[in-house]
Amino acid sequence: DGGITQSPKYLFRKEGQNVTLSCEQNLNHDAMYWYRQDPGQGLRLIYYSQIVNDFQKGDIAEGYSVSREKKESFPLTVTSAQKNPTAFYLCASSIDEGQGAREAFFGQGTRLTVV
Amino acid sequence: LAKTTQPISMDSYEGQEVNITCSHNNIATNDYITWYQQFPSQGPRFIIQGYKTKVTNEVASLFIPADRKSSTLSLPRVSLSDTAVYYCLVGEANNNDMRFGAGTRLTVKP
Repeated sequence: DGGITQSPKYLFRKEGQNVTLSCEQNLNHDAMYWYRQDPGQGLRLIYYSQIVNDFQKGDIAEGYSVSREKKESFPLTVTSAQKNPTAFYLCASSIDEGQGAREAFFGQGTRLTVV
Repeated sequence: LAKTTQPISMDSYEGQEVNITCSHNNIATNDYITWYQQFPSQGPRFIIQGYKTKVTNEVASLFIPADRKSSTLSLPRVSLSDTAVYYCLVGEANNNDMRFGAGTRLTVKP
């Protein structure tokens, strides 16, 4: 059963603590992404990775870190430096389907609440 | 990456055809146009993608004029379950950078 899995679905943390969100895919996709979504807003790109051991900053990378040690996994760490970490976090992966076509698949998201 | 502009929101009624237009004046030669649908508390879902002219699948059609500076997503005979946010993305084939705008919030009324 192929897909992209985010865990946990809901996460609560105390202010000042680092927290790591998991994202795993078994679609054999090279590219993976992390987005943040605030209520009523669109998706904002945090980081993306085109290949193992490589990643690029998106529009709002400050206060976040990622790693890509395996093709299947792209964990996101929300550090204490992120001022407003409470949000809905979405992970995605994509593949070039040839002739320029590209389709992204998203996980179900992790809702992080920092208290 | 070409910037996209969409209406913030649209209202429609069940059974009507809905057309959502996206402007992308700076689209590059190799860019494709992709549309996604997002329901609350879920990840976006791919709807349709095209490069030029017209593309149709089982859920939507995508119309792209010759100058490719805009595109229109057409949803035939919408139902209440089509109420969602629709995003237009423009991106190059070999570039994995994928950025979403604010999207268009479509509300279908009975």
